[in-house]
Amino acid sequence: EPEVTQTPSHQVTQMGQEVILRCVPISNHLYFYWYRQILGQKVEFLVSFYNNEISEKSEIFDDQFSVERPDGSNFTLKIRSTKLEDSAMYFCASSRDRGGGNEQYFGPGTRLTVT
Amino acid sequence: AQSVAQPEDQVNVAEGNPLTVKCTYSVSGNPYLFWYVQYPNRGLQFLLKYITGDNLVKGSYGFEAEFNKSQTSFHLKKPSALVSDSALYFCAVRDVAGRRALTFGSGTRLQVQP
Repeated sequence: EPEVTQTPSHQVTQMGQEVILRCVPISNHLYFYWYRQILGQKVEFLVSFYNNEISEKSEIFDDQFSVERPDGSNFTLKIRSTKLEDSAMYFCASSRDRGGGNEQYFGPGTRLTVT
Repeated sequence: AQSVAQPEDQVNVAEGNPLTVKCTYSVSGNPYLFWYVQYPNRGLQFLLKYITGDNLVKGSYGFEAEFNKSQTSFHLKKPSALVSDSALYFCAVRDVAGRRALTFGSGTRLQVQP
């Protein structure tokens, strides 16, 4: 069964450094998402991406965040200058098409630790 | 704004007994509703969804959920719990006419005792 994959599984970085989290969505999916979960808190939406542009973004997704689909398979989340409060589990997800009832399939997550 | 409430942080049930994990939601229009399960060190796995039609939806691993519009609820159920069902369960909602992003509840930890 196709799966969303994410690398790395755990990233440790120093405050102020840039990090890139990588995701490979399911191959025939068209919508891509990033969510995050701060330890002990809810899963929160960050951004969705369709047709090579941002479709929606939350208030969390400020100028320090960016997303990119650099090739036909990868989908990346970049945090330009990490802060301590960016420490969280970051989940990538994808869904098949524009139908709003289509479920999103999630990757295993990248645990980002900012020191 | 849309929201989801999962009133129980943890549900304990004996193996073989029925289980219910509660979820209530709030959206301005009609909802799409989802249940996901998270096992340790794994991502969120899709269990089932309600889009339209029959209020009782069936999903993976014998789980089902009942949509109740008047009570704005979407409780997850299983007739006979297994120890392997022990995990963290998340309810999620999106407004049919709203943005595509899912809004998640805080999660309920299900513990099934042998």
